[in-house]
Amino acid sequence: QKEVEQNSGPLSVPEGAIASLNCTYSDRGSQSFFWYRQYSGKSPELIMFIYSNGDKEDGRFTAQLNKASQYVSLLIRDSQPSDSATYLCAVNSDMRFGAGTRLTVKP
Amino acid sequence: DAGITQSPRHKVTETGTPVTLRCHQTENHRYMYWYRQDPGHGLRLIHYSYGVKDTDKGEVSDGYSVSRSKTEDFLLTLESATSSQTSVYFCAISDAGTVKEAFFGQGTRLTVV
Repeated sequence: QKEVEQNSGPLSVPEGAIASLNCTYSDRGSQSFFWYRQYSGKSPELIMFIYSNGDKEDGRFTAQLNKASQYVSLLIRDSQPSDSATYLCAVNSDMRFGAGTRLTVKP
Repeated sequence: DAGITQSPRHKVTETGTPVTLRCHQTENHRYMYWYRQDPGHGLRLIHYSYGVKDTDKGEVSDGYSVSRSKTEDFLLTLESATSSQTSVYFCAISDAGTVKEAFFGQGTRLTVV
């Protein structure tokens, strides 16, 4: 059983819409959660991390964590074509990643 | 940008030959990781290191070995390359602090023919 699951997509949203990316995890004791963005042909880069239940906002990005249901989400408001990338979820400090969700924002 | 360099960036090799990929960091981070990335599988952890000469296996370690004789260098070796090891390999580093974010190298595209 995979420890971190993501819908591989692809997910397509129109420009200006809200993109919602989801990640579930199996280890109930997980404490830290990370979202990385990877543009095609490039290396992943960290965009958000969250430790506590609830929402954490950073500009157009909001990470949501629900430990009881074992999922973490990333919302991108006012999506832009420049947000088109693969988004990877990582759980805990052992740095294991989900398969990633490919997001396309159409003008 | 974090000081992390992978070499080579591209390599084509024949089945059965040994291959070594190098990851070099100038950040003095304790943790170093090797991943492979394949379509549909995301990033999968091969091996990682938590200090000089301290390494452990990840989820897809078969066919790979690693060594870390200095803080700054982490080597990934394919003892006898197979076509299934054709992939993009990423090295990552992470500080031992409370925020376990990772910084990634640019990746090595390895093709085994």
